[in-house]
Amino acid sequence: GAVVSQHPSWVICKSGTSVKIECRSLDFQATTMFWYRQFPKQSLMLMATSNEGSKATYEQGVEKDKFLINHASLTLSTLTVTSAHPEDSSFYICSAREQGAYNSPLHFGNGTRLTVT
Amino acid sequence: GQQVMQIPQYQHVQEGEDFTTYCNSSTTLSNIQWYKQRPGGHPVFLIQLVKSGEVKKQKRLTFQFGEAKKNSSLHITATQTTDVGTYFCAGTHNDYKLSFGAGTTVTVRA
Repeated sequence: GAVVSQHPSWVICKSGTSVKIECRSLDFQATTMFWYRQFPKQSLMLMATSNEGSKATYEQGVEKDKFLINHASLTLSTLTVTSAHPEDSSFYICSAREQGAYNSPLHFGNGTRLTVT
Repeated sequence: GQQVMQIPQYQHVQEGEDFTTYCNSSTTLSNIQWYKQRPGGHPVFLIQLVKSGEVKKQKRLTFQFGEAKKNSSLHITATQTTDVGTYFCAGTHNDYKLSFGAGTTVTVRA
């Protein structure tokens, strides 16, 4: 089945530094990838839609200058949390649909647990 | 934005008993998907329902999509310890965005 690889699986960083999270579709091409954030015991909240070759679409309330998204190829999207602060500590999960399959299920990465000290 | 409501938030079940989790949307959905997330893990796709009134079964799990395509349910019979986790419904709206419900976290007592 379709596999999405996310790296790193966990990261601890100091306040003010930036962290980059990678999301790769291993055996399929993904025109669109989605970035979610999940706080403990809460649901997944869509942060942004990453579009290959164009700008990401951010959900209301998500700062695009803080959460930089780059989708340089059909198999790779990156999320960079810039100038991270403790309130950015969360579980970040990427997901992808196979190219052209607009109603198909999402394939999720394993997630990245970010802790900002 | 579009929202999908899911209840109950928590379900503590005696092993062997049945339970149901419900999802409801204020607008018509293109489809509804169900995911399971084990503690510490990531969501894993279970099933997708597309047609009005559709019912699908996976062993002890029964998924239903309402006639108006605004609600859905997941019913688990004879709950086992392997059923522990959080079950999310996710509805696809006309803009192809997937909106997740709050999830139902299931714990099982032996």
